[in-house]
Amino acid sequence: SQQGEEDPQALSIQEGENATMNCSYKTSINNLQWYRQNSGRGLVHLILIRSNEREKHSGRLRVTLDTSKKSSSLLITASRAADTASYFCATDRNRDDKIIFGKGTRLHILP
Amino acid sequence: DTAVSQTPKYLVTQMGNDKSIKCEQNLGHDTMYWYKQDSKKFLKIMFSYNNKELIINETVPNRFSPKSPDKAHLNLHINSLELGDSAVYFCASSQRGDIQYFGAGTRLSVL
Repeated sequence: SQQGEEDPQALSIQEGENATMNCSYKTSINNLQWYRQNSGRGLVHLILIRSNEREKHSGRLRVTLDTSKKSSSLLITASRAADTASYFCATDRNRDDKIIFGKGTRLHILP
Repeated sequence: DTAVSQTPKYLVTQMGNDKSIKCEQNLGHDTMYWYKQDSKKFLKIMFSYNNKELIINETVPNRFSPKSPDKAHLNLHINSLELGDSAVYFCASSQRGDIQYFGAGTRLSVL
């Protein structure tokens, strides 16, 4: 069964604006990760946030985690054309090592 | 050097054929995975091996058989290919459930 669900499914914004994507999950987790997939490529890891962390930053990326709501958000500030990609959240379950990916948010940055 | 490499990149074949996809990682990771990404970009785990031992085997037809000759290699053999097997197959590796490193994918088209 699916663990993570991203929202929205697709997002188009102007270059320079901020993009926010959300992820909800169902069971308790050890950590949550965000990945990016450019068209025709494999997934690339962006950031990992552990269950005891609430916020994490990496460059223009900001990730929050609310374990009480079982949700996470990924904020990309000052978006660029190169940010156009699909973004996936991935959660592990603390009862096994399986990592489950959501369906992804397709982000399109308009020039 | 490519961290996770899989071959071939493209595979076009007829229904009923048998084919293999190879994967190698040079990261020294203990765990390797096979994922299937369908046309809607949904990424689903198929198998996971840890130190050559099968640890995750999702509901996958037994026409799919993974083989791990050593912890740096995880190959996927598919018997009697069907139209529904058309997808992009990704190999990944990690150090036991942590950040996953993906290959570039193998696009399988069954005609």
